[in-house]
Amino acid sequence: AQTVTQSQPEMSVQEAETVTLSCTYDTSESDYYLFWYKQPPSRQMILVIRQEAYKQQNATENRFSVNFQKAAKSFSLKISDSQLGDAAMYFCAYKANFGNEKLTFGTGTRLTIIP
Amino acid sequence: DSGVTQTPKHLITATGQRVTLRCSPRSGDLSVYWYQQSLDQGLQFLIQYYNGEERAKGNILERFSAQQFPDLHSELNLSSLELGDSALYFCASSGRRAGVGETQYFGPGTRLLVL
Repeated sequence: AQTVTQSQPEMSVQEAETVTLSCTYDTSESDYYLFWYKQPPSRQMILVIRQEAYKQQNATENRFSVNFQKAAKSFSLKISDSQLGDAAMYFCAYKANFGNEKLTFGTGTRLTIIP
Repeated sequence: DSGVTQTPKHLITATGQRVTLRCSPRSGDLSVYWYQQSLDQGLQFLIQYYNGEERAKGNILERFSAQQFPDLHSELNLSSLELGDSALYFCASSGRRAGVGETQYFGPGTRLLVL
């Protein structure tokens, strides 16, 4: 069974600085997708970024980028120029490309932005 | 706004009761997923429907059932409610094609409190 581990329950960063959130996963599949979702205090689940395992190039979305290390089964999220609106819970999630299409989530990292 | 709608936003009920949560997917999406977010279990996949048919099941209790209607909206029925069923229930939708690595977009959730 696939598992997703987020070992940092809480992180904090100064506004305008850069922070990296860690995620590791375990799977025997070779074709899969990885996601970072953000959950602000409103509790809405918002997609931040997505990475296809077959792509070697790391995904980027504006201030958000990932460091995808397939062999190490690591998928970290880097947030540059942190803003107050980035304060939220961040969840790493895994989805196989075939078979069960469910998302398997990590336990989340609570990110605090210090003004 | 993800385009996924869920009603009601909040629900307060008593143990032993039955409730129905409703979800309308994004326009054109054929897959609907239900997830439960609780403090002790985190985010867990419950069930997936694709174009009216059950496609995958997760950690869904026998007291819970779901269905997807011809207009593609879905309902999650929770019966014989227990205190431990108190949680945030998310619906997500994806995809025009089953089995393809489509991103799941989440609704705002229904917060259920069982007293």
